[in-house]
Amino acid sequence: GAGVSQSPRYKVAKRGQDVALRCDPISGHVSLFWYQQALGQGPEFLTYFQNEAQLDKSGLPSDRFFAERPEGSVSTLKIQRTQQEDSAVYLCASSYAQGTEAFFGQGTRLTVV
Amino acid sequence: AQTVTQSQPEMSVQEAETVTLSCTYDTSESDYYLFWYKQPPSRQMILVIRQEAYKQQNATENRFSVNFQKAAKSFSLKISDSQLGDAAMYFCAYRIAYSGAGSYQLTFGKGTKLSVIP
Repeated sequence: GAGVSQSPRYKVAKRGQDVALRCDPISGHVSLFWYQQALGQGPEFLTYFQNEAQLDKSGLPSDRFFAERPEGSVSTLKIQRTQQEDSAVYLCASSYAQGTEAFFGQGTRLTVV
Repeated sequence: AQTVTQSQPEMSVQEAETVTLSCTYDTSESDYYLFWYKQPPSRQMILVIRQEAYKQQNATENRFSVNFQKAAKSFSLKISDSQLGDAAMYFCAYRIAYSGAGSYQLTFGKGTKLSVIP
């Protein structure tokens, strides 16, 4: 596609509900990142994929957060048993190769009520 | 660990005037990249300008330029001839230049909200 596409744009979840956020990277991009951006803050790194391999998940805040990219293209970030502190914008970025410019999607705004 | 600090939560500038946004960072690495990103209300991060640490010359992109002071670990953004469309959140970010099999993730500051007054 022309750019990084994320869906849904907005998601409201009841506390305790599971959610899945989708990222469609730019076609051919090997690297894929997830970031979490709390209100009034800068984005913080969650996890990184190179193709289908999750090479770095050091930023995932708890074991309720899980990410996958099974075919090296589309990625899904799953949050189990959502809590209020999970409310944030979740940004996805992709790049052609390691160390090249990252292009961001418009993010998913998750609100946990 | 690398940290990026933006000490100005909000700034304003008159249309057509010049404004400078400040950023400092902390790292023990010698080779890295610094970036300024713009985030409008649409939430999409847009790369404004990039600086390689090994380059002494300050980067310039049209109305946007940086003042990179490596010894002081300072990286400010100057916007000249400000336009209404420049109003947005601006984030300073750092990335290591080489990390082997590492992820090259970006470390961001907390951002500066720029308002442009007509």
